[in-house]
Amino acid sequence: AQKVTQAQTEISVVEKEDVTLDCVYETRDTTYYLFWYKQPPSGELVFLIRRNSFDEQNEISGRYSWNFQKSTSSFNFTITASQVVDSAVYFCALSEETDSWGKLQFGAGTQVVVTP
Amino acid sequence: SQTIHQWPATLVQPVGSPLSLECTVEGTSNPNLYWYRQAAGRGLQLLFYSVGIGQISSEVPQNLSASRPQDRQFILSSKKLLLSDSGFYLCAWNPGTSGSYEQYFGPGTRLTVT
Repeated sequence: AQKVTQAQTEISVVEKEDVTLDCVYETRDTTYYLFWYKQPPSGELVFLIRRNSFDEQNEISGRYSWNFQKSTSSFNFTITASQVVDSAVYFCALSEETDSWGKLQFGAGTQVVVTP
Repeated sequence: SQTIHQWPATLVQPVGSPLSLECTVEGTSNPNLYWYRQAAGRGLQLLFYSVGIGQISSEVPQNLSASRPQDRQFILSSKKLLLSDSGFYLCAWNPGTSGSYEQYFGPGTRLTVT
């Protein structure tokens, strides 16, 4: 069963608009880790953020912000004032403490298209 | 600093031919290593992972195999390629034995089986 759901297949915005990417996860573990990765057209996955299940504090890094809500099992990602360079596929991923060796379970990804 | 290399970057192979993709990591010791495949349509599928030399775990039954002959080297192989083996192959590493560490990915190998 899919443990990470990214329901948005593609989001298109005009430059300077904000865009929010949804991520819903499913786990029975009390300790788990959530991640976001960016995959630009070049193909390489770029790590953006890791969040621990016991730390629900939201985080902001420049134009990026993340909203972690355990009550709704969501870990959403917002890009503020989007730029053309933000065009990429974004993946949400889950690693469960009981799943050995740090394996990541990825969502299907959301394609973000930012037009000038 | 740590870096991860993959080669070749692109590969076109006929059906039935063998395959060898290589991944090496620099700047760390005893990393966990992972092979993923990304077929058209974006999904990332974990193929193999390794926690040490000669230790390989397979996630899905398939036409591929993996080996780890050295601490920082991870090889993906096939004796006879199938059309369905086409895809984008990504190698990744992390330094820890728990899920608390993010994985860092290499540049990938784009394989087309004709």
